Amino acid sequence: SQQGEEDPQALSIQEGENATMNCSYKTSINNLQWYRQNSGRGLVHLILIRSNEREKHSGRLRVTLDTSKKSSSLLITASRAADTASYFCATDGGYSTLTFGKGTMLLVSP
Amino acid sequence: DVKVTQSSRYLVKRTGEKVFLECVQDMDHENMFWYRQDPGLGLRLIYFSYDVKMKEKGDIPEGYSVSREKKERFSLILESASTNQTSMYLCASSFGTTLGPLHFGNGTRLTVT
Repeated sequence: SQQGEEDPQALSIQEGENATMNCSYKTSINNLQWYRQNSGRGLVHLILIRSNEREKHSGRLRVTLDTSKKSSSLLITASRAADTASYFCATDGGYSTLTFGKGTMLLVSP
Repeated sequence: DVKVTQSSRYLVKRTGEKVFLECVQDMDHENMFWYRQDPGLGLRLIYFSYDVKMKEKGDIPEGYSVSREKKERFSLILESASTNQTSMYLCASSFGTTLGPLHFGNGTRLTVT
């Protein structure tokens, strides 16, 4: 099955900085979702953006979607140490279940 | 808030044992899923279920089976555990569509020795 791919694989920043991670996918989608996973825990749904939307905000999160480039980005503004986690994109891509990427590991240092 | 509860956080089993991983959700969700997560491979879908007694194979069903006798409970069964099934297992549920948003449990880290 097709898979979203996040980039970079790992990102290290200081508290207060912005963090940007990207997701590319291969086939047309109806929606794209971002999830967060704290170390050793389950995933938590962050935000869903539909294929007819270009940008969506939720608190300090901003997601963009460019369907012509088959890519999405997740921006976390004013990062905090508590944002340290892995972030995954998930796409539907015509399948009956979501397909997850391998994730970006974000480390936010105090 | 939706709660998805996996019965064990850590489990150690021997090769050849039959292993049951249990998952319960409390929000009357139709859909339930079992994933495994391995370093470098991401999340891979093992099985999912869209209704009681219904099941569908995911990407890697070999060596696994599932049971959904009640709407709130979805069990993953390793008929004869092998070392290559050592992994983190994540259960999830969703309302309505199988395309999420998914609500995940905290995972079971299974070690097969």
